Amino acid sequence: AQTVTQSQPEMSVQEAETVTLSCTYDTSESNYYLFWYKQPPSRQMILVIRQEAYKQQNATENRFSVNFQKAAKSFSLKISDSQLGDTAMYFCAFMTWRGSQGNLIFGKGTKLSVKP
Amino acid sequence: DTGVSQDPRHKITKRGQNVTFRCDPISEHNRLYWYRQTLGQGPEFLTYFQNEAQLEKSRLLSDRFSAERPKGSFSTLEIQRTEQGDSAMYLCASSLGGQSYPGRNTEAFFGQGTRLTVV
Repeated sequence: AQTVTQSQPEMSVQEAETVTLSCTYDTSESNYYLFWYKQPPSRQMILVIRQEAYKQQNATENRFSVNFQKAAKSFSLKISDSQLGDTAMYFCAFMTWRGSQGNLIFGKGTKLSVKP
Repeated sequence: DTGVSQDPRHKITKRGQNVTFRCDPISEHNRLYWYRQTLGQGPEFLTYFQNEAQLEKSRLLSDRFSAERPKGSFSTLEIQRTEQGDSAMYLCASSLGGQSYPGRNTEAFFGQGTRLTVV
């Protein structure tokens, strides 16, 4: 069974600084996707960034980047130049896409607070 | 297509009553997921469908819970004999998935959820 672990329940960062959120996962699959989702208070879950396991290059989306270490099964999210609007719950998630094993599993989340 | 929609957005019910929620996924998505989320926690997987087939169910999905996805389009989640512990946000998501769908469109898109309060 796949599991996703986020070891930081809460984090805070000053506006304009950089913060890294940690995520580890466990799987026996070789083909899978990893995601970071953001859930602002009382708002809808939205995708921040995705990483295909078969790609060695780390994904980046503007101020968001990941450090994907496949052998270590680690997938951390770096937020640069933090903004007040980045305040949210951040969830790491894992999904296989092979055949019938397509479950999307989430970690318990990290609550990020960006302080002015 | 405006995304994943869920109905109702809020539901208050008395303990012991049955409730049914509906999810309309993005039209071309073959996968549909149901999650339960309590305050301050991550989404807990309940079940997912690939087209009309229900491929996996969590142990959280007791015999009071049932989900369907007739014709592989919209889905319903029914909770029978509701209990106070069922109070939560119920999230639906859809995605493309399976061996034929590698690529950029594999991420799941979420609806706004149905908040259930059992009194």
